[in-house]
Amino acid sequence: DIQMTQSPSSLSASVGDRVTITCRASQSITNYLNWYQQRPGKAPKLLIYAASTLQSGVPSRFSGSGSGTDFTLSISSLQPEDFATYYCQQSYSTPFTFGPGTKVDIK
Amino acid sequence: QVQLQQSGPGLLKPSQTLSLTCAISGDSVSSNSAAWNWIRQSPTRGLEWLGRTYYMSKWYNDYAISVKSRITINPDTSRNQFSLQLTSVTPEDTAVYYCARQHTSCYIDWGQGTLVTVSS
Repeated sequence: DIQMTQSPSSLSASVGDRVTITCRASQSITNYLNWYQQRPGKAPKLLIYAASTLQSGVPSRFSGSGSGTDFTLSISSLQPEDFATYYCQQSYSTPFTFGPGTKVDIK
Repeated sequence: QVQLQQSGPGLLKPSQTLSLTCAISGDSVSSNSAAWNWIRQSPTRGLEWLGRTYYMSKWYNDYAISVKSRITINPDTSRNQFSLQLTSVTPEDTAVYYCARQHTSCYIDWGQGTLVTVSS
C-alpha cells in the first residue's frame, strides 16, 4: 500500500493568516492526490482533486499544488470556518490511502 | 444532489456481526460512473478504506486486505442502497463508519457517519 504522511500534525493560526500543509507519498502518485476538510463530528468534505483542481463550491482561498511525491494545500487567508482537520488521500492505486491529518486550530 | 443516509446499530459485543446500510438518493447504486464505499475512522487507525461495490456490466467488489476475511458489501438494487457486514468484531473495530460515493478517484459524497462501539 502507498503510505501518506502529512506535516505538521497540527498548527495554530489566526484569522487572515496564510496556512500551508504538506503531504508526502511513499512513491510517485503523479497528480492522483485529493484533499479533504473535516470539521468535528462531520464527514470529510472534498476540497481539491487531482492535486490542484478545486471542487465545485469550494472557496478560491484554497489551493493545491505538487506532483510525484510532494504536495501542498494552501489557504490564502484563514477564515473562522476553516478551523478543521485536513487530510490528503492518494488515488493512484488501490487501496486509496489517507494521510494522518493536520489539525488547524485557533491561535 | 446525492445524499447518503446510514442506518444500523451502534453497539455490539465482541464476536457479533456489524451490519450497516447506506440508502442512496440522487444517484443509482447501479450507476456505471460511481463506486459505493465503506470507510471507517478511529483515533488509532485514522481514515481506513474497507471496501467498495460497483457495477460495470456486472457487479464487482474490492476489499481491504486487513478485513478481507470478515467483510461483505452488497448492493440492493430494489431499495437503491448498499450494505456492510463485518463479522467477528473485536474492540479494535470500534470506529465511526462512513459510506461514501466514489466518482472517478474521489470520495465526493459521504454519509453522516455511524459510531460503532464494540464492548462486552
